[in-house]
Amino acid sequence: AQSVAQPEDQVNVAEGNPLTVKCTYSVSGNPYLFWYVQYPNRGLQFLLKYITGDNLVKGSYGFEAEFNKSQTSFHLKKPSALVSDSALYFCAVRDMGTGGFKTIFGAGTRLFVKA
Amino acid sequence: EPEVTQTPSHQVTQMGQEVILRCVPISNHLYFYWYRQILGQKVEFLVSFYNNEISEKSEIFDDQFSVERPDGSNFTLKIRSTKLEDSAMYFCASSSSSGGPSYNEQFFGPGTRLTVL
Repeated sequence: AQSVAQPEDQVNVAEGNPLTVKCTYSVSGNPYLFWYVQYPNRGLQFLLKYITGDNLVKGSYGFEAEFNKSQTSFHLKKPSALVSDSALYFCAVRDMGTGGFKTIFGAGTRLFVKA
Repeated sequence: EPEVTQTPSHQVTQMGQEVILRCVPISNHLYFYWYRQILGQKVEFLVSFYNNEISEKSEIFDDQFSVERPDGSNFTLKIRSTKLEDSAMYFCASSSSSGGPSYNEQFFGPGTRLTVL
């Protein structure tokens, strides 16, 4: 079965500093990985995805993610954090097993960016 | 930019009542989903729908739940007899078939917050 793990409940970073939100995955077959962000009282917004190709994937709002097959990781990164990046971030994997193509989400990591 | 919309944004109901949550997926999308998020917890898959039938459902999606695409634009989730534990945020999502549903991101609506009293 496909799964993702987000080992940190919360990440704190100062504005202007680089940020990393960690994610590891467990899949059978090729991984289709996604990052979503949820702002307070809002829905889920797609940030980026890895399907195949370059290991460094660029997404919305200056975010990028690095796919590392040997470490089974897909960490989300941003070179310089903004206060407005404070939100809940979900790593996710597409489940290819059953044909319904559902998305399986990690538990989420709350990012706090301090001014 | 096209987006998934959901109504109502907040629904309050009494335990045992029926509720219908409505979604309008992005117009050229063919795959539709419902997820729920209990407050402070992870997002959980409920059901996927394609070609007018359920393609997959989770163990959460028991007999009290049903989905329907009553016309060409709406996608609904019905909870027949609500329980306290159904209180959650319910998200609708849709995805395109172009390039394969496995490759495409699912676009999520803003959610309906369901409160069961």
